[in-house]
Amino acid sequence: GENVEQHPSTLSVQEGDSAVIKCTYSDSASNYFPWYKQELGKRPQLIIDIRSNVGEKKDQRIAVTLNKTAKHFSLHITETQPEDSAVYFCAGSSGTYKYIFGTGTRLKVLA
Amino acid sequence: SQTIHQWPATLVQPVGSPLSLECTVEGTSNPNLYWYRQAAGRGLQLLFYSVGIGQISSEVPQNLSASRPQDRQFILSSKKLLLSDSGFYLCATTGGDYEQYFGPGTRLTVT
Repeated sequence: GENVEQHPSTLSVQEGDSAVIKCTYSDSASNYFPWYKQELGKRPQLIIDIRSNVGEKKDQRIAVTLNKTAKHFSLHITETQPEDSAVYFCAGSSGTYKYIFGTGTRLKVLA
Repeated sequence: SQTIHQWPATLVQPVGSPLSLECTVEGTSNPNLYWYRQAAGRGLQLLFYSVGIGQISSEVPQNLSASRPQDRQFILSSKKLLLSDSGFYLCATTGGDYEQYFGPGTRLTVT
């Protein structure tokens, strides 16, 4: 069935370093790939997304890349700050009603 | 822009008691609506989604049910709660370009 695998499950980086989280999807029809940030006790918040007609998208310190051939996409955070510490979820959607979420990555930025 | 309301924010219920969680959406008409559950430290589990009044699709067979009595109202119910029903319940809706937004959530503890 449809599946989105996300790695790593936990990631610790020093403040100022970069962080990369990777996701792989199985549904070839997937064409929309959002990333969510969830702080402790709060709702997931959409931070960036990419559609299948684009290979890369950037918004200040965060960027997402998509490789449709390999069916994987990645979140890149540069110059990490303590407030970037959170759980990050990737997801895939084929433009229908369902989102398939990854299992999450707990990012810790060490000061 | 859309606003999602959920109540209650927190709930402590004994095993075997009934449950009713409510979600309402403002700022849109005929939205797609979703119920997710997030167990402590875990990912997002899709429970139900609805593309219109009276149209409910169930993703996980269990002791929960959902109803959509009005266009922008989505209700999650149970007749008898189990310990395993504890978690963070999130209502979500999709925007015009399939981006998904979450409500503030209800934290349910079954004792």
